Amino acid sequence: AQSVTQPDIHITVSEGASLELRCNYSYGATPYLFWYVQSPGQGLQLLLKYFSGDTLVQGIKGFEAEFKRSQSSFNLRKPSVHWSDAAEYFCAVGAMEYGNKLVFGAGTILRVKS
Amino acid sequence: NAGVTQTPKFQVLKTGQSMTLQCAQDMNHEYMSWYRQDPGMGLRLIHYSVGAGITDQGEVPNGYNVSRSTTEDFPLRLLSAAPSQTSVYFCASSYSLSGTGSRGYTFGSGTRLTVV
Repeated sequence: AQSVTQPDIHITVSEGASLELRCNYSYGATPYLFWYVQSPGQGLQLLLKYFSGDTLVQGIKGFEAEFKRSQSSFNLRKPSVHWSDAAEYFCAVGAMEYGNKLVFGAGTILRVKS
Repeated sequence: NAGVTQTPKFQVLKTGQSMTLQCAQDMNHEYMSWYRQDPGMGLRLIHYSVGAGITDQGEVPNGYNVSRSTTEDFPLRLLSAAPSQTSVYFCASSYSLSGTGSRGYTFGSGTRLTVV
C-alpha cells in the first residue's frame, strides 16, 4: 500500500538558520507530490507541488523542494527561517494509478527560536 | 473572498447524536473531499466527490455519509456520533481530482468536533 513518511515529528531551528524537512514515500507508481503548511487553527495552504519536469521546485514564502526518485524523497528546504514559519508542515503524495487520492504524512511541527 | 467555507467551527455532540458538517465552495471546483485530522496521523480521506451526484469512499468512511446535489455544496453527515469521531474535519476542493492545478487543493478552516 502507498505510504508517506515524515520522520521528524518536531523540529526546532533558530531564526535565520536553514531548514530541511524530510518526506519519504512508498508508491508503486510515478507519484505527484505536495507540501502544505498549516498554521494553528487554520486550514492547509499549498506551499509547492511537483508532478513532472524540473525536479527542483520553487514555492511560496521562499520554500523549495527537490524530488529524488532514486531515494523516494521530496524534502522541503528553506535557506533562512523566519519566526513566522513556525507551523505544521505536511507532505502529501498521489498517483493516477491509485485513483489520484492524496495520502498525507503525519506532519512535522516546526518551532523557531529567536 | 473565494474559497471553501465550513460550518460550524466548533461542535460538541453526545454519543449517538447525528449532525451535518457543512462545506461550500465558490470556485466552481468539480472535486471536493472530506478529511479528518488526528494528532500524529496527518489527514485521512473520508469521502470524496468528482462532481454533482458522484461520491466515493476514502480511507476511513465508516460512520459518515455524504451527498453532492450541487457543485457548490458537499455536506458530511455523522449518522450516530461516537467518541472515536472526535477530530478536526477539513473540507477541500480542487478543479482536478489530482489537485495538480495551480492552487492544488483549497482547504477550509476546519470544524473541531468533540463527541462526549
